[in-house]
Amino acid sequence: DAKTTQPPSMDCAEGRAANLPCNHSTISGNEYVYWYRQIHSQGPQYIIHGLKNNETNEMASLIITEDRKSSTLILPHATLRDTAVYYCIVRVQGGSEKLVFGKGTKLTVNP
Amino acid sequence: NAGVTQTPKFQVLKTGQSMTLQCAQDMNHEYMSWYRQDPGMGLRLIHYSVGAGITDQGEVPNGYNVSRSTTEDFPLRLLSAAPSQTSVYFCASRPHREGSKNIQYFGAGTRLSVL
Repeated sequence: DAKTTQPPSMDCAEGRAANLPCNHSTISGNEYVYWYRQIHSQGPQYIIHGLKNNETNEMASLIITEDRKSSTLILPHATLRDTAVYYCIVRVQGGSEKLVFGKGTKLTVNP
Repeated sequence: NAGVTQTPKFQVLKTGQSMTLQCAQDMNHEYMSWYRQDPGMGLRLIHYSVGAGITDQGEVPNGYNVSRSTTEDFPLRLLSAAPSQTSVYFCASRPHREGSKNIQYFGAGTRLSVL
């Protein structure tokens, strides 16, 4: 699975959009970009994933660059409950069981 | 649906004791996995199973045993606990059906301390 690079921490004001970047310059053509988050002391939670098109669901939007070497997770109206560690993971769909979480980005939403 | 259920939530062991961490899922998922999470280390895969009767090692399997006799259950056994096994343990499952999104569902975790 391709490696990813994320900033270790970010801050965001409550009610504003949180934009979390991820670099995956060695991504292969059949690898998807997945985002998970882990709120303190809880199990990781799936947010969204995509292959090359932008995706949106009830939690977030995912913007993938045309060359697929980077992506941005957008939380449109961040709340205090969005404070968590966000992990960007690149893997093939149906691939090996191992999820390489890395260290992620610690997002702190401030009141 | 309850999703992925882990028991116990907390456990304290003495060095050398044995115990089993329980994991059950009610989503009929074929794949199940065990991870451990240590401060600053992220999640590391211990063992995983692609179906009943089939298990395989992850990146940190030493000191742990698993079995998968049913689709629903995937217990993790510590035969002789060591302080290095103090960690938070997460169980996860995902479907393996054509068209599935390959999304992992995680339990709430078991916090284990070995004294």
